[in-house]
Amino acid sequence: NAGVTQTPKFQVLKTGQSMTLQCAQDMNHNSMYWYRQDPGMGLRLIYYSASEGTTDKGEVPNGYNVSRLNKREFSLRLESAAPSQTSVYFCASSESRASNQPQHFGDGTRLSIL
Amino acid sequence: AQTVTQSQPEMSVQEAETVTLSCTYDTSESDYYLFWYKQPPSRQMILVIRQEAYKQQNATENRFSVNFQKAAKSFSLKISDSQLGDAAMYFCAYRSAYNQGGKLIFGQGTELSVKP
Repeated sequence: NAGVTQTPKFQVLKTGQSMTLQCAQDMNHNSMYWYRQDPGMGLRLIYYSASEGTTDKGEVPNGYNVSRLNKREFSLRLESAAPSQTSVYFCASSESRASNQPQHFGDGTRLSIL
Repeated sequence: AQTVTQSQPEMSVQEAETVTLSCTYDTSESDYYLFWYKQPPSRQMILVIRQEAYKQQNATENRFSVNFQKAAKSFSLKISDSQLGDAAMYFCAYRSAYNQGGKLIFGQGTELSVKP
């Protein structure tokens, strides 16, 4: 009963390096999301995919790209990492776009950019 | 655009006592959903309770209940008989019932400590 799986759990990068955060869900959910969590600011939406084949910008998309590879997988890419992207990143999924069904979250990735 | 505000960065409660966490939101929509999530030190995001805006009855889940005041745009969480395991960061979140991708808008969080 894995739910939402994120890899890696921790990563340290140097400024300018690139990397991809992976996310997969096994609940047959249509919608997937990427958030970042910073102290005192709660979780902020970076990008989301309301359904397979679509992606949209959230509140803080600059410096990121996403790919909805298939219904299960939704990756987040940092092309040229910056210290301001040091954060904890959460992937989430939900059954449908507009309902009372909650989003299910992965365990997060702690990313440090030096 | 919708916003969610949690004005209490930190709260403290004695074990077995009751505590209320505040949340206010701003929206022009009439239909939406509200959630409280708990984040313990393990970093997991755990759903505590949810409320549909069209329901007047306040949601309850065991020791957790909400006071939903739609006109005042207020959604507070009451924890009764507090336990040490309730210590965590608590986030209030808003979700539109219209086609906005189902995204959640979170408040800044309230860190709850429970004293033995």
